[in-house]
Amino acid sequence: KAGVTQTPRYLIKTRGQQVTLSCSPISGHRSVSWYQQTPGQGLQFLFEYFSETQRNKGNFPGRFSGRQFSNSRSEMNVSTLELGDSALYLCASSMGTGGGYEQYFGPGTRLTVT
Amino acid sequence: GENVEQHPSTLSVQEGDSAVIKCTYSDSASNYFPWYKQELGKGPQLIIDIRSNVGEKKDQRIAVTLNKTAKHFSLHITETQPEDSAVYFCAASSPGGGADGLTFGKGTHLIIQP
Repeated sequence: KAGVTQTPRYLIKTRGQQVTLSCSPISGHRSVSWYQQTPGQGLQFLFEYFSETQRNKGNFPGRFSGRQFSNSRSEMNVSTLELGDSALYLCASSMGTGGGYEQYFGPGTRLTVT
Repeated sequence: GENVEQHPSTLSVQEGDSAVIKCTYSDSASNYFPWYKQELGKGPQLIIDIRSNVGEKKDQRIAVTLNKTAKHFSLHITETQPEDSAVYFCAASSPGGGADGLTFGKGTHLIIQP
């Protein structure tokens, strides 16, 4: 069974631009969660989508948004990029929502904002 | 919200020796505790997890213990090998998932000395 895939793997953007990242979950998984990983803050939860609905949201500004499609693929968007948005963005898929489900991570998208 | 503390931040052991990484959590409602291994340039890989109705779980050279009363859990790796070198993260999750998703510790850089 194929794992979680994320595209693109690397991105370089300029301050003020916007970016869209994509995640394809493991086949049969209906929940997709997004995390931001930085050296200073570690792994921080952004949001979770299940059945095309946002179920949970972490403590990030409204510039961070996401969506999920009927095939469970998910995208996250960051508008008006800031230097501090430079990070590894990880998505994780699981079979269900509500805590206690095993989450499997993709390789991440490395975003650099200049 | 949940808070997870992880120690030590760096752990260096001789090949063949055992390694122990410890985590504490704050939310007594948390009931799912996974451990992830992250190698350079890759996403976190789920290596073992434990639920609050179990005190210990073992998978070959890896074991995890949970003390619900003290709200701490530990990862034990025996007979360490060079391929065990990586960053290890503990995490906690409550039944409802909640606004925090998975809450991660800051990570332990495990170095296996030949």
